[in-house]
Amino acid sequence: NAGVTQTPKFRVLKTGQSMTLLCAQDMNHEYMYWYRQDPGMGLRLIHYSVGEGTTAKGEVPDGYNVSRLKKQNFLLGLESAAPSQTSVYFCASSPKRSSGGSSYEQYFGPGTRLTVT
Amino acid sequence: GESVGLHLPTLSVQEGDNSIINCAYSNSASDYFIWYKQESGKGPQFIIDIRSNMDKRQGQRVTVLLNKTVKHLSLQIAATQPGDSAVYFCAENNRRPSYGKLTFGQGTILTVHP
Repeated sequence: NAGVTQTPKFRVLKTGQSMTLLCAQDMNHEYMYWYRQDPGMGLRLIHYSVGEGTTAKGEVPDGYNVSRLKKQNFLLGLESAAPSQTSVYFCASSPKRSSGGSSYEQYFGPGTRLTVT
Repeated sequence: GESVGLHLPTLSVQEGDNSIINCAYSNSASDYFIWYKQESGKGPQFIIDIRSNMDKRQGQRVTVLLNKTVKHLSLQIAATQPGDSAVYFCAENNRRPSYGKLTFGQGTILTVHP
């Protein structure tokens, strides 16, 4: 079980370039999430997905798009990168929570460090 | 507790001491809380969680305390070890519908000196 994997681990972009970050999970989880983490701040939710073919906006969705064509994969796209998008990006997944109180634990990938110059 | 801005709270302890990391939350509707540990260069790892109908929960060397009256959460680590050095985040579930979404605090840096 690899858990949650992210590619690439590092990337440097010039302003205006585009790229896609890939997240994959092998735990058959329904829910997947993309976060960004900036120095001195906690994780902020960009977009999330509650199942294959569905996506929704989080707290800071502007400048990003996502797709979930397969249950195990969740892609984060930057169409026109800006220096403000320099950050560390984390993907996470969690099982669908059954009623009656199972955990909200999210399983995180190792992160992608993105620098936009 | 958590701070606003770029300067994370820090806690520095000696190996073998007990550590207490605090977190204040703002939403009284939150019904679930979780602590994560993040080591340098890695993703967050689950430590322990607690529901709002509980005051205390214990794990291996860790205890989480929840005080709903003052909206305060704490993580206690017994016999702290150098491997415990990391950033610790509290997170809460307060969104409806939930879909498992969590709101994270800004984190506390724990440094353990041998």
